[in-house]
Amino acid sequence: QLQLQESGPGLVKPSETLSLTCTVSGDSINSGRYYWDWIRQPPGKGLEWIGSIYYTGGPYYSPSLKGRVTMSVDTSKNQFSLRLSSVTAADTAFYYCARQMSVAEIDSWGQGTLVTVSS
Amino acid sequence: QLILTQSPSASASLGASVRLTCTLSSGHSSYAIAWHQQRPDKGPRYLMKLHNDGSHTKGVGIPDRFSGSSSGAERFLTISSLQSEDEADYYCQTWGTDIQVFGGGTKLTVL
Repeated sequence: QLQLQESGPGLVKPSETLSLTCTVSGDSINSGRYYWDWIRQPPGKGLEWIGSIYYTGGPYYSPSLKGRVTMSVDTSKNQFSLRLSSVTAADTAFYYCARQMSVAEIDSWGQGTLVTVSS
Repeated sequence: QLILTQSPSASASLGASVRLTCTLSSGHSSYAIAWHQQRPDKGPRYLMKLHNDGSHTKGVGIPDRFSGSSSGAERFLTISSLQSEDEADYYCQTWGTDIQVFGGGTKLTVL
């Protein structure tokens, strides 16, 4: 059974870089059938797609966050990661990792992790 | 521009049926979408993929009470025999070249 688990600091200072990792179990990240996504949700608001990455790389990002986002994959650890630079309070959100059928629907979600940006 | 539009809220009585709508932006009426459920204080859960012809594929463990249909640019999620556990936010999602898009979500209240 597929499981996705987000991990990383729950508190980040303004202007610093947010870093999160998603550990995938129950499936191989390099199976070639999926993309791997990050989505976020400010408290009380809707879902916002951040970006998607294939196991060989080639990520694509939300235009609204492009320039601040970097995603990467570590196939040896079956993990993928998110870095968001120059964070502000507006980046405070629940961050979810997810599995995406290649250029199609998201079909599995992690439980999410809350990241607060505050000094 | 690829946009999904959802009504902010909906309500229906326990045991009744409700139909939620997700509308694709102009020029994108052939696109498939996915529906996701988010119960209070929980992460989202995948419900189904819904094609423009109304055919749909549900996720593992999704009850038969959940079904999908389509008409033009509109994609519907119908929940029958409403239960209290169906009270949740429902999001539609679609995809294009190098982009994923979510609708704003519909908050369903079960009366």
